[in-house]
Amino acid sequence: GQNIDQPTEMTATEGAIVQINCTYQTSGFNGLFWYQQHAGEAPTFLSYNVLDGLEEKGRFSSFLSRSKGYSYLLLKELQMKDSASYLCAVRDPWDYKLSFGAGTTVTVRA
Amino acid sequence: ETGVTQTPRHLVMGMTNKKSLKCEQHLGHNAMYWYKQSAKKPLELMFVYNFKEQTENNSVPSRFSPECPNSSHLFLHLHTLQPEDSALYLCASQEQGEGNQPQHFGDGTRLSIL
Repeated sequence: GQNIDQPTEMTATEGAIVQINCTYQTSGFNGLFWYQQHAGEAPTFLSYNVLDGLEEKGRFSSFLSRSKGYSYLLLKELQMKDSASYLCAVRDPWDYKLSFGAGTTVTVRA
Repeated sequence: ETGVTQTPRHLVMGMTNKKSLKCEQHLGHNAMYWYKQSAKKPLELMFVYNFKEQTENNSVPSRFSPECPNSSHLFLHLHTLQPEDSALYLCASQEQGEGNQPQHFGDGTRLSIL
């Protein structure tokens, strides 16, 4: 089976940094995705990691360690609009299906 | 504009009603998906279509019936639903076989069963 864990909620202050961790135990691995989902809206793609290391995209960075089954999403210079749910998903290498974590709700306070 | 459009955005229905959810993708993708999203739970994959052919049915009850008439359109027909079926139903599309291409999601249909 697939097991993907991430914290339920996190709170941070505007301008600060928040790190959302994701650990996974899956039968196969073909990449890890991070999505952002605002309430009532579609999940939108943020990042993709398939090799170990850090991928940086502006204020957002994502890290992967395949040997540890671990990823994190780093949000820097937090803004109020970053308040959302962040979903971690692992792709199966055989059928490309995504297995999702339950999501982490980030609340940014002024 | 996400490139994936779902209608209706909200639906309230009784347990004996029949309704359909619609999804249309404008991205030229070859795979489409239905997911169920319940509060505080991971997205649950319901159905997968590749090139209009159903390739996955994750033990979904028969009261949910998918239809994919072409590679741009996907329907979910609903009949005799239960209160526990109340959830957000998300459609997604993807170009399969293209390395790191992500799935693109619609805004979902919020379904409430009375």
